[in-house]
Amino acid sequence: QKEVEQDPGPLSVPEGAIVSLNCTYSNSAFQYFMWYRQYSRKGPELLMYTYSSGNKEDGRFTAQVDKSSKYISLFIRDSQPSDSATYLCAMSARSNYQLIWGAGTKLIIKP
Amino acid sequence: NAGVTQTPKFRVLKTGQSMTLLCAQDMNHEYMYWYRQDPGMGLRLIHYSVGEGTTAKGEVPDGYNVSRLKKQNFLLGLESAAPSQTSVYFCASSRASTGTNEKLFFGSGTQLSVL
Repeated sequence: QKEVEQDPGPLSVPEGAIVSLNCTYSNSAFQYFMWYRQYSRKGPELLMYTYSSGNKEDGRFTAQVDKSSKYISLFIRDSQPSDSATYLCAMSARSNYQLIWGAGTKLIIKP
Repeated sequence: NAGVTQTPKFRVLKTGQSMTLLCAQDMNHEYMYWYRQDPGMGLRLIHYSVGEGTTAKGEVPDGYNVSRLKKQNFLLGLESAAPSQTSVYFCASSRASTGTNEKLFFGSGTQLSVL
């Protein structure tokens, strides 16, 4: 079983919809949680990060962490065709250098 | 504003051939990483470096070697390529350890096919 599980999709929604992307994990030592966005044929770029539990909002994006359920989410409001990309979750425990990555969810926003 | 630059962007090798992937960053970052990305597998760390002259193994180091002779460059070598090494390779750098909330800066990737 992978340490981080993420549905690969694709997830296809109409423009303007609210999108929910999720990851589950098994290691309770994870404290730092990140979402990266990857456009086709490009490297990932950091979208949001959160520490421990709680919510963090940045414009149309909200990152949510539920450590008790070992579950993180990324919500996108008023989705745009430019949001079409693969979204990767990543997480780490303070004790080591390595980020553990989800496989990524491909998101398609239809105009 | 170059950031992280990888060369080449595409390469096709025959089994048993060798090659070197070059990564260069202009942000004066201490930490550099080589990842591979395969469908359904996510990003997997091959090797990393915490400073000039240092390297360490990641999750999937077998069949690869690395060198960090200059702070701005991180080279990934394949001595005898195998079809299992067909993948997209990403170089990344960061100012400090990714064990916290440190942001990774990625290159655009190298698509490698081993026939």
